[in-house]
Amino acid sequence: EAGVAQSPRYKIIEKRQSVAFWCNPISGHATLYWYQQILGQGPKLLIQFQNNGVVDDSQLPKDRFSAERLKGVDSTLKIQPAKLEDSAVYLCASKPLAGGWAEQFFGPGTRLTVL
Amino acid sequence: SQQGEEDPQALSIQEGENATMNCSYKTSINNLQWYRQNSGRGLVHLILIRSNEREKHSGRLRVTLDTSKKSSSLLITASRAADTASYFCATHNFNKFYFGSGTKLNVKP
Repeated sequence: EAGVAQSPRYKIIEKRQSVAFWCNPISGHATLYWYQQILGQGPKLLIQFQNNGVVDDSQLPKDRFSAERLKGVDSTLKIQPAKLEDSAVYLCASKPLAGGWAEQFFGPGTRLTVL
Repeated sequence: SQQGEEDPQALSIQEGENATMNCSYKTSINNLQWYRQNSGRGLVHLILIRSNEREKHSGRLRVTLDTSKKSSSLLITASRAADTASYFCATHNFNKFYFGSGTKLNVKP
């Protein structure tokens, strides 16, 4: 079975520019997560979708970050405008079941550098 | 922060030795999961232990959970160079996942 796909793998932008990341979860997985992982730290959950609805976005900086999951399949995460502290790896994960009983499958991530 | 904290932050051992890393957390949990992350790559799920379980095994992995102390440990026996990676604990509580800061394990051949 194909894994979680993410693109692009790398992105370099200047501060105040906009950027978007794309994620295609494993087929049939209802739950999708976006995480931010700053170098040397653990992943921080930004937003969780169940199908096309938002379950938790309490740690998403909503003044500059937005995410959507149209049709409950693939998802995009956008940053507008970017700040230096947004430099991180953005990880997408999916799992088939609601709740925490199933493991999450992670994509390779998008490494964002903001100059 | 509700994130777990791993201890030690870094661990260097010889191939064949056992590696133990610990995770402490702050809130009640439904379950606790351990993940591995190789350099520059995504995370891979290793093992899940539920809040009513005390110990679980999977191959060379042994996980313990002490909910009274809000702590967990991951033991990797007979380590291999391929085990070199960062290891993270993740707590699950009411649909919220919190990852710890990780233990960086280096297994020298």
